[in-house]
Amino acid sequence: EDQVTQSPEALRLQEGESSSLNCSYTVSGLRGLFWYRQDPGKGPEFLFTLYSAGEEKEKERLKATLTKKESFLHITAPKPEDSATYLCAVRRGTSYGKLTFGQGTILTVHP
Amino acid sequence: NAGVTQTPKFQVLKTGQSMTLQCAQDMNHEYMSWYRQDPGMGLRLIHYSVGAGITDQGEVPNGYNVSRSTTEDFPLRLLSAAPSQTSVYFCASSRGFEGSTEAFFGQGTRLTVV
Repeated sequence: EDQVTQSPEALRLQEGESSSLNCSYTVSGLRGLFWYRQDPGKGPEFLFTLYSAGEEKEKERLKATLTKKESFLHITAPKPEDSATYLCAVRRGTSYGKLTFGQGTILTVHP
Repeated sequence: NAGVTQTPKFQVLKTGQSMTLQCAQDMNHEYMSWYRQDPGMGLRLIHYSVGAGITDQGEVPNGYNVSRSTTEDFPLRLLSAAPSQTSVYFCASSRGFEGSTEAFFGQGTRLTVV
């Protein structure tokens, strides 16, 4: 059974204080690890897809990395508008349309 | 480009009532899915479809029914609503080829069963 665990559950940062969110996973035949951002009352918004260990992707203040057991979402010099819930999900094999999600990390950035 | 559209945004049902949550996508995606999101539990897969006429169960399918008669639409039916089905429901769609498999989500339907 695929499992995804995110930590911490909640993270409070001061503006400019860099940190990382963790996503640990157990899946047979990983064929994609996905990061999403979710704002209150909204649907998840796609950020990154990582396919293989060692892969990295960046977007503005966010950088996602992947190892064989976990992924990190690094946030550099965050701003209040980065406050959101960040979700991690995995897909196995050819199971298109089937994602297994972690419970999310609630990030709050104070000015 | 509308993406994934869900209706209604909010709904209150009485126990035992039935209803259909609508989902439509205009991206010609083969794959569509329904998830429910509950506090502290993340998103859980209810049903999914790999194309018109083909559906399968996800992690939490009991009490829900789906069909897919067209590529664009994937409605979710609650057969006899129960308070345990109070949740936020999200519909998603995606392509089916490597390098472009991210799922796009609708804005959600917040359902309360009393």
